[in-house]
Amino acid sequence: QVQLVESGGGLVKPGGSLRLSCAASGFPFSDYYMTWVRQAPGKGLEWISYVSHRGDTIYYADSAKGRFTISRDNAKKSLFLQMDSLKVEDTAVYYCARQMATITFGQFYYYGMDVWGQGTTVTVSS
Amino acid sequence: QSVLTQPPSVSAAPGQKVTISCSGSSSNIGNNYVSWYQQFPGAAPKLLIYDNDKRPSGIPDQFSASKSGTSATLGITGLQTGDEADYYCGTWDNSLSAVVFGGGTKLTVL
Repeated sequence: QVQLVESGGGLVKPGGSLRLSCAASGFPFSDYYMTWVRQAPGKGLEWISYVSHRGDTIYYADSAKGRFTISRDNAKKSLFLQMDSLKVEDTAVYYCARQMATITFGQFYYYGMDVWGQGTTVTVSS
Repeated sequence: QSVLTQPPSVSAAPGQKVTISCSGSSSNIGNNYVSWYQQFPGAAPKLLIYDNDKRPSGIPDQFSASKSGTSATLGITGLQTGDEADYYCGTWDNSLSAVVFGGGTKLTVL
C-alpha cells in the first residue's frame, strides 16, 4: 500500500546535525513532489521544505533557509532532510508527506498533502 | 502567529453540524487552492479536503468545504465523539513562496 516511513530522529545538542530519511513505497515516487512538515510539542503544523519530482525545484521556509537541505533519491524512493546548526526551537515531530502539485504553463499549483508518514521525533537539548 | 487564521476551538453537540473558518489574504487563499487536515493526538495529519472542496477517496461526505474570496470553511455534519480532533487549513502563499497552515482548531463534541 501507499506508505511513507521516516527515520533518523533523535536527541542532538544545540549546534549539532541530524539527517532525516523518508522511505516511500506503493506509488511512483519519481512522479511526485515531496515535502517536510514539522510540529513542535503542543503546537500546530509548520511547513519546512518541498522538492519537485525531479529535484530541480526546491523551496524552504524562512526557519529552514541556510540550515536545512532537502534532497531526494528517486532510484531509492527516498527523501532526505539534512539539518545543521540545530536549535532548541527545532525540537519537533518531523513528517514527510506527498505533495500534490503541478506546474502548468509556468504556473505553480499546490493542492495539498495526501499521504503522510508517521513522523520522527527530533529533540534538540543540551 | 500563523499566516492563516483559524478559531482556536469550536464545539457542538453530537449529531449537529459545525463549521471551521480559515481566513487569509489575496497572496494565499485568494489565489490558491485550500486543503484541510484532521489530526488526532499522537497521530499524523490526514488529508480531508484538497483543491478547495474535493474529498480524497475514503473521506465521507460528512466533511465538506468551500472557499470564497480570501476565506475558506470546513463543515462537518452528523458530529460524533470520534470526530474530536484538531483541524488545519493550508495553502500556498505566493508572496512567501511557502506552504502556510492555519494555527489549528480543536473540535470538541459535547
